[in-house]
Amino acid sequence: DIQMTQSPSSLSASVGDTVTLTCRANENIKKFLSWFQQTPGAAPKLLISVASGLRNGVPSRFSGTGSGTDFSLTINSLQPDDFATYYCQQTYKTPYTFGEGTKLDI
Amino acid sequence: QVHLQESGPRLVRPSETLSLTCGVSGDSMRTYYWSWIRQPPGKPLEWIGYVYTTGRTNYNPSFKSRVAISVDTSKNEFSLKLTSVTTADTAVYYCARDDTTGVIDFWGQGTLVTVSS
Repeated sequence: DIQMTQSPSSLSASVGDTVTLTCRANENIKKFLSWFQQTPGAAPKLLISVASGLRNGVPSRFSGTGSGTDFSLTINSLQPDDFATYYCQQTYKTPYTFGEGTKLDI
Repeated sequence: QVHLQESGPRLVRPSETLSLTCGVSGDSMRTYYWSWIRQPPGKPLEWIGYVYTTGRTNYNPSFKSRVAISVDTSKNEFSLKLTSVTTADTAVYYCARDDTTGVIDFWGQGTLVTVSS
């Protein structure tokens, strides 16, 4: 199975900050990576697919980059709703695997 | 917009079978994969597998000997069965839609299933 490693595991920030979360795969997954946002008690919400494709309705302050094994999610000008846990997921091959998440809190 | 809703028992005894159904509304089931994903309390997400509308399945090898996912397009629903459960199978179980490239774009709200005697 492809292992996905996210860092940091937790991050504290303030409203208005810019943060970058990273995700690393243990083999080349090209650009087959999704990012999700999850708030407590809710289902994950897809933010970005194929590494950098912003999904409809997702604010443009979210952006994704990367290819191969190293990826990042940047959130510009943090808003209160952005404090959540973020997961990356490789969609290169099954079994699809997720990272352990980065918890972003105030 | 597609809507998914999980249903089924919330409590399962150890060694028994966990059974969940996901109702799909708002879109055709054709041309998508229909997935199950779970999240043990305080832990990350784990992909269980998917079914296509033809009945073709793809399972996570971690579950392969215990899992079955089926689809009934006439009822617009698909189902999960997980046999011989243990307390380690306690989790929130999500049904979800996969656009056939692994991109999981719509999720149900999730249902907590507890395995306990």
